[in-house]
Amino acid sequence: QVQLVQSGAEVKKPGASVKVSCKASGYTFTGYYMHWVRQAPGQGLEWMGRINPNSGGTNYAQKFQGTVTMTRDTSISTAYMELIRLRSDDTAVYYCATGAHLDVWGPGTTVTVSS
Amino acid sequence: AIQMTQSPSSLSASVGDRVTITCRASQGIRKDLRWYQQKPGRAPQLLIYAASSLQSGVSSRFSGSGSGTDFTLTISSLQPEDFATYYCLQDYNYPHTFGQGTKLEIK
Repeated sequence: QVQLVQSGAEVKKPGASVKVSCKASGYTFTGYYMHWVRQAPGQGLEWMGRINPNSGGTNYAQKFQGTVTMTRDTSISTAYMELIRLRSDDTAVYYCATGAHLDVWGPGTTVTVSS
Repeated sequence: AIQMTQSPSSLSASVGDRVTITCRASQGIRKDLRWYQQKPGRAPQLLIYAASSLQSGVSSRFSGSGSGTDFTLTISSLQPEDFATYYCLQDYNYPHTFGQGTKLEIK
């Protein structure tokens, strides 16, 4: 079955960086864009950007320009989202999502930024 | 970026009620709108795509309508498992943008 498995929870200090992985299985990895969405505690969903796993081309929300980098490794069907210069307000659950209708979501990775 | 204004932000209803949630886009987005349901501690689940197409496996008590700037999600007869938070998402252009969410609570 189509599945996305994300890396485990992270605790980082302000100013550090984090790289979250999202391993896909059950479908052709290069067939659908991979999106990243985050959700701060008690808040709504926020679209961060997407990557074309085939070409590596990306689109980022303006808010994250300069701090987020989305990459992929097609040999292992894995997408990555790296966020640099972390701040406390980057504390959130980070989801990867894909599919013909953006209907397949990973379980989320909790990133906590705290001194 | 296109702003998605969802209303109401919260709603109390009873099992068996018919409820409607609306989403308004700040500019026309054709029918490029999805609806998601999210329960606490879980990833969002797709209910509706292309404004009115029911995702496979989703109960037919969920329906969507609208095009351009105004959209609705209707739940025809609330069931206990429907109490959750609902989000709209426009995928007309980048950046994609979500509505702020509607929390549906039991009355």
